[in-house]
Amino acid sequence: EAQVTQNPRYLITVTGKKLTVTCSQNMNHEYMSWYRQDPGLGLRQIYYSMNVEVTDKGDVPEGYKVSRKEKRNFPLILESPSPNQTSLYFCASSSVRILGRGRGYEQFFGPGTRLTVL
Amino acid sequence: GENVEQHPSTLSVQEGDSAVIKCTYSDSASNYFPWYKQELGKRPQLIIDIRSNVGEKKDQRIAVTLNKTAKHFSLHITETQPEDSAVYFCAAREGGSYIPTFGRGTSLIVHP
Repeated sequence: EAQVTQNPRYLITVTGKKLTVTCSQNMNHEYMSWYRQDPGLGLRQIYYSMNVEVTDKGDVPEGYKVSRKEKRNFPLILESPSPNQTSLYFCASSSVRILGRGRGYEQFFGPGTRLTVL
Repeated sequence: GENVEQHPSTLSVQEGDSAVIKCTYSDSASNYFPWYKQELGKRPQLIIDIRSNVGEKKDQRIAVTLNKTAKHFSLHITETQPEDSAVYFCAAREGGSYIPTFGRGTSLIVHP
């Protein structure tokens, strides 16, 4: 089954304790990205990657790191989490090729990770 | 970069009514405009998209229109049903990018 997976789904942590949220896709997609979703602010892009070893900042990159050592994985790293990083995080992937059924560059989202930083 | 404005932020309708959500974008080079639906507690999922060489696209009860001159596009849902209740996001993709910019979302509530 084609999918994007994220782990963990829920995480409560304390300020300053490094954490990693994993993201993996099995669709051989070139593009992967991370978003955070906050009430009233919609989906804001944190980082994105166009291929292995190619990453770039999105709209809200401060306090986050990413890496893309393999095509299928795109982990999000919070080196020193702070309470303002409490949010719902989504990983997404997409292909460079236009998909069937007239679809364009559809983004496939993971199930989300609910992070609380105390 | 691209900037996408979405209105309204909340939309409440009676079952059977139509709902319209409007978005504007800033970059005239944007050429792909998807709409995502996010049900409560779930991930966003693509429901319809339109490319800049098309003015309108329909899929059963949903349709999207695009006005390139005015740089705005809209989602139309007819004969709304309670299961249409969700947050809807519009997005625009710049010509040189493969990652879209999202609007802030519209919470649609359909009352039975």
